Amino acid sequence: EDQVTQSPEALRLQEGESSSLNCSYTVSGLRGLFWYRQDPGKGPEFLFTLYSAGEEKEKERLKATLTKKESFLHITAPKPEDSATYLCAVQRSGGSNYKLTFGKGTLLTVNP
Amino acid sequence: DAGVIQSPRHEVTEMGQEVTLRCKPISGHNSLFWYRQTMMRGLELLIYFNNNVPIDDSGMPEDRFSAKMPNASFSTLKIQPSEPRDSAVYFCASSLRQGSETQYFGPGTRLLVL
Repeated sequence: EDQVTQSPEALRLQEGESSSLNCSYTVSGLRGLFWYRQDPGKGPEFLFTLYSAGEEKEKERLKATLTKKESFLHITAPKPEDSATYLCAVQRSGGSNYKLTFGKGTLLTVNP
Repeated sequence: DAGVIQSPRHEVTEMGQEVTLRCKPISGHNSLFWYRQTMMRGLELLIYFNNNVPIDDSGMPEDRFSAKMPNASFSTLKIQPSEPRDSAVYFCASSLRQGSETQYFGPGTRLLVL
């Protein structure tokens, strides 16, 4: 069974204080690892897909990296508007390649 | 372009009542997903449709839950009878095709069963 564990569950940062969120995963044949952002009262919003170990993707203050066992979402000089829950999900290769298995998320709060 | 549309956004009902949640996927998307989100279990896939056909309903918790997709632009998730433990946020998502990398989520329906 695919498993995704995110840590920490919650993270408070001061504006400008860089940090990283962790996503550890177990999957039988990784097709892709996804990062989503979820604001309160809204649906998850797609951020990145990573396909292979060593791959990196960036968007504004966010950078996602991938190894064979985990992914990190690095947040550089965060702003209050980066406050949200960040969700990680894995998609397996093969017949059930439609399925995303999500972690429970990291609630990020950035204080001004 | 309009994203995934869900209705109602909020639903409060009493135990035993029938609840119907509605979803309009993004035009041209062939895959549709229903998820449930709770604090305890996070986001869980309930059912997956491809080209209007249910492919995987293994996540549907009980026979009280049913889902239909009569055409490419509409799907429903029905709970009958509803129970307090069904209280959660229900999301619909769509993607261009099976295995497509990006699922686009709707705003969700927050369901409270009293």
